[in-house]
Amino acid sequence: ETGVTQTPRHLVMGMTNKKSLKCEQHLGHNAMYWYKQSAKKPLELMFVYNFKEQTENNSVPSRFSPECPNSSHLFLHLHTLQPEDSALYLCASSQVSGGDLYEQYFGPGTRLTVT
Amino acid sequence: TQLLEQSPQFLSIQEGENLTVYCNSSSVFSSLQWYRQEPGEGPVLLVTVVTGGEVKKLKRLTFQFGDARKDSSLHITAAQPGDTGLYLCAGAGSNYQLIWGAGTKLIIKP
Repeated sequence: ETGVTQTPRHLVMGMTNKKSLKCEQHLGHNAMYWYKQSAKKPLELMFVYNFKEQTENNSVPSRFSPECPNSSHLFLHLHTLQPEDSALYLCASSQVSGGDLYEQYFGPGTRLTVT
Repeated sequence: TQLLEQSPQFLSIQEGENLTVYCNSSSVFSSLQWYRQEPGEGPVLLVTVVTGGEVKKLKRLTFQFGDARKDSSLHITAAQPGDTGLYLCAGAGSNYQLIWGAGTKLIIKP
């Protein structure tokens, strides 16, 4: 068990819908991440939250909106998505404390299909 | 820009054979991690290597970090069907982020 849960596991949505992905970590970590995984491409980092503060936004379109109400919960709000946004969305957490290990623990992902 | 190149991209072998997966970069990393991802799941951390030349073993899996900390390899001895999955390497970047390779898809046939 990784200690990171994600819901829903599968999501099909139209381009005009609004939906949210949820992630919860039970590991006591202080950093959380959203990744997009597409076939044959490296994991694409979307957002990073460190101590609930967003520290990175890697040029992600505004149709993706993250929210981190506390260090255990992370949301990704979706609206007016495009078919090319279909992918596996992964949440991860890690304990960052000034060292260089950056070991990340992942949830099972949400398989998103935009129709 | 730091990049990690993994090879091969795809490997299909028979049970019992040995294999090696490579992760190469022109950049130096303070640490490097290997993950395995099974279909429908997220990546699971296998090992972290930190010291140049370091070798770590996890049952039939042997991980090595290059002396210059620019490359790493994963060697599997006597592969089993349970080793099937996507193997990912990731190097420590800046701001607590990881630099990811594109992965090696490994299939072990019974």
